[in-house]
Amino acid sequence: DARVTQTPRHKVTEMGQEVTMRCQPILGHNTVFWYRQTMMQGLELLAYFRNRAPLDDSGMPKDRFSAEMPDATLATLKIQPSEPRDSAVYFCASGDRAGNTIYFGEGSWLTVV
Amino acid sequence: QKEVEQNSGPLSVPEGAIASLNCTYSDRVSQSFFWYRQYSGKSPELIMSIYSNGDKEDGRFTAQLNKASQYVSLLIRDSQPSDSATYLCAVTRREGGGSYIPTFGRGTSLIVHP
Repeated sequence: DARVTQTPRHKVTEMGQEVTMRCQPILGHNTVFWYRQTMMQGLELLAYFRNRAPLDDSGMPKDRFSAEMPDATLATLKIQPSEPRDSAVYFCASGDRAGNTIYFGEGSWLTVV
Repeated sequence: QKEVEQNSGPLSVPEGAIASLNCTYSDRVSQSFFWYRQYSGKSPELIMSIYSNGDKEDGRFTAQLNKASQYVSLLIRDSQPSDSATYLCAVTRREGGGSYIPTFGRGTSLIVHP
């Protein structure tokens, strides 16, 4: 059963700490998306990659967020330093080469206190 | 202006009724349209996709698309309490590099009461 895998599932951290979230896309998918979901804003696109190349990260606060895809099986989203307003659910999603349908991981639930 | 608009609800319907969920979008070059279901505390799950004007049926679900009016809807027939969830509308545009980029509405909360 192919699925997108995210770690950690839950994270509570103190303000100022570094947070790294990891995503393993579905094997063979070449497009990877990072979304953030909050009650106020809904699902917001933070960044996406195609064939491991970052194509758009305009939705991401550049001063503290960074996204990378070191290989085809791993995408990372890093927050440094974290702030309470970063508390949200972070979803990774991947799409196949046709690219038109994306599948979500189970999300990383982040709380910054 | 939000690119994809949905009524946040909640929409409350009795069990067995038809639930009608609506979505409008602003980008005329949008190419593909999707409905995702999200249970509380879970990730979005794809339930329907539609690409051309008209209706598309899958079991109890029917998606309707009207590109001229920039409107897409989801009908759920014979609603069940297990259908209670938030329904997200997603609209996809194709970027110059060939990637399809989905934009999501904020979702409509559906409550089906026995």
